[in-house]
Amino acid sequence: NAGVTQTPKFQVLKTGQSMTLQCAQDMNHEYMSWYRQDPGMGLRLIHYSVGAGITDQGEVPNGYNVSRSTTEDFPLRLLSAAPSQTSVYFCASSYYVGASYEQYFGPGTRLTVT
Amino acid sequence: GNSVTQMEGPVTLSEEAFLTINCTYTATGYPSLFWYVQYPGEGLQLLLKATKADDKGSNKGFEATYRKETTSFHLEKGSVQVSDSAVYFCALSGNTGNQFYFGTGTSLTVIP
Repeated sequence: NAGVTQTPKFQVLKTGQSMTLQCAQDMNHEYMSWYRQDPGMGLRLIHYSVGAGITDQGEVPNGYNVSRSTTEDFPLRLLSAAPSQTSVYFCASSYYVGASYEQYFGPGTRLTVT
Repeated sequence: GNSVTQMEGPVTLSEEAFLTINCTYTATGYPSLFWYVQYPGEGLQLLLKATKADDKGSNKGFEATYRKETTSFHLEKGSVQVSDSAVYFCALSGNTGNQFYFGTGTSLTVIP
């Protein structure tokens, strides 16, 4: 299994540009989530999905869209990039094992908006 | 609501020193508790977990005990190595696969 994969690894955008961060998992996990990681703030949930065709907002959804057309893929779209969206973005998938859900993370996308 | 508070870093230790990273939580119901580790330039990896009170999670020499009475889940290791240098996150989960709450992370540097 490749686990959770993310592309690109690094990206630089200009203010106002749009782009899509790709995320895929090959473990057949129902739950998938997007987080952003900023210094001193830990991980903050952007959007999540409980299965194909079902998504919902997390703690910081503004400026981002998601869709989940298949179990495997969960892309994150930045509609009009702003410097405040400079961050490291992690995709994760979850499944139930050993009496709890466990979450597995991709390697991250480092995004800079100038 | 649910939240996790962990000790601020950075923490710098000499090789073979004893490590403790404090973590306390607030939760409704009966959460599961986790420690994740993040090496430079990588994503978070599950280090250990405990799913009920008094459970001890352990892995790679690290351990943590789920203390319901003090709402704590402190991470310990008896003898750290340079390769343990990383950022450690305490987390809790609720009843569904999207309910994860993370602390702000504690950076650990181990010097030879």
